[in-house]
Amino acid sequence: AQKVTQAQTEISVVEKEDVTLDCVYETRDTTYYLFWYKQPPSGELVFLIRRNSFDEQNEISGRYSWNFQKSTSSFNFTITASQVVDSAVYFCALSVDNYGQNFVFGPGTRLSVLP
Amino acid sequence: DTAVSQTPKYLVTQMGNDKSIKCEQNLGHDTMYWYKQDSKKFLKIMFSYNNKELIINETVPNRFSPKSPDKAHLNLHINSLELGDSAVYFCASSPKGAVPYNEQFFGPGTRLTVL
Repeated sequence: AQKVTQAQTEISVVEKEDVTLDCVYETRDTTYYLFWYKQPPSGELVFLIRRNSFDEQNEISGRYSWNFQKSTSSFNFTITASQVVDSAVYFCALSVDNYGQNFVFGPGTRLSVLP
Repeated sequence: DTAVSQTPKYLVTQMGNDKSIKCEQNLGHDTMYWYKQDSKKFLKIMFSYNNKELIINETVPNRFSPKSPDKAHLNLHINSLELGDSAVYFCASSPKGAVPYNEQFFGPGTRLTVL
């Protein structure tokens, strides 16, 4: 069975600090896909990134970066120079098939960025 | 233009009632999904429909039934509502019917409260 762990339940930082959200996954499949979603206070879910298991290149998108390490089964998310608008719940998710079966979300990490 | 819309946004009802939540997407996507997010923010996939065919059905009670009149709509009907059904329900869609290859676009959510 698949499992996603986000050990940090809540994180608070002051604006402009860097912050890393941890994600550890478990799967026996060799082909799998990892995702990050953002849920701001308004409640909608926003897709941030998708990564497949064969692509271990780290990715940077503006202030966001992702560090995928198969050796430690981790897919961590770093926000550089955080802003108040980054305050949200962030979900890491894992999928191992083509049609969403076994698509599992982590419990989420609530990030509060204080001014 | 709203990509994935849900109605109603809020739904308050008595235990034992039957209710429906509507979802429409104007993205031309092939697959639509329903997710349940409980009070602890845990997200769990409930159903997905690909070209009007049910692909997955997680272990949800049969009181929940997805209905897809066409590719752009996936409604969720719930019979005999129970207190534990109180949650936020999200509709989502993705192109090509393959979750891992495509991001999911989420609706704004419907907050269901069962009294």
